[in-house]
Amino acid sequence: DAGVTQSPTHLIKTRGQQVTLRCSPKSGHDTVSWYQQALGQGPQFIFQYYEEEERQRGNFPDRFSGHQFPNYSSELNVNALLLGDSALYLCASSLLGLELRETQYFGPGTRLLVL
Amino acid sequence: SQQGEEDPQALSIQEGENATMNCSYKTSINNLQWYRQNSGRGLVHLILIRSNEREKHSGRLRVTLDTSKKSSSLLITASRAADTASYFCATPSTSGSRLTFGEGTQLTVNP
Repeated sequence: DAGVTQSPTHLIKTRGQQVTLRCSPKSGHDTVSWYQQALGQGPQFIFQYYEEEERQRGNFPDRFSGHQFPNYSSELNVNALLLGDSALYLCASSLLGLELRETQYFGPGTRLLVL
Repeated sequence: SQQGEEDPQALSIQEGENATMNCSYKTSINNLQWYRQNSGRGLVHLILIRSNEREKHSGRLRVTLDTSKKSSSLLITASRAADTASYFCATPSTSGSRLTFGEGTQLTVNP
């Protein structure tokens, strides 16, 4: 049973560029959440996707956008990259059911460095 | 802003000793969760304690929750070098859709 997978593992971009990160949820999960983790800090919620729609959004600018596909996989897009976007981007999957949604399963993350 | 705050920020102990980490939060919660993160990798869910529970055990882990003080503690007994990691507490939103994490405690277990 595959867990949450993310690609790529590492990425280097320059300011102003655009980036797309990808996530495949754990088998059987239908909900994907994205988090940004700056060095030395806890993860910050970016947004969550369910049934191909953004269900909830954290305090992030519109430069951060996402998408969920019919197979529940998801992409995170960041436009006009800033140096401050350098972080570990974590994808988490869960099941939007009463019992299981409280536990989120995290992928290994994508380390983004913006130069 | 962070919902939870862990204390201490860093903890260094010897193998075999117990490690205690504390977490405080600000709003009412349905449950509180603890996660572990090894060297900037993904987070691993350790344990979930519900608001009507006061203590929960899982292997060498013991978690307590005091909703009157809005605080929780994670105790790791008989620590091992492999326990070296960052530990985060997290609380879900009322809809359960988002987790709010604290700043984390960096635990170092020296062999």
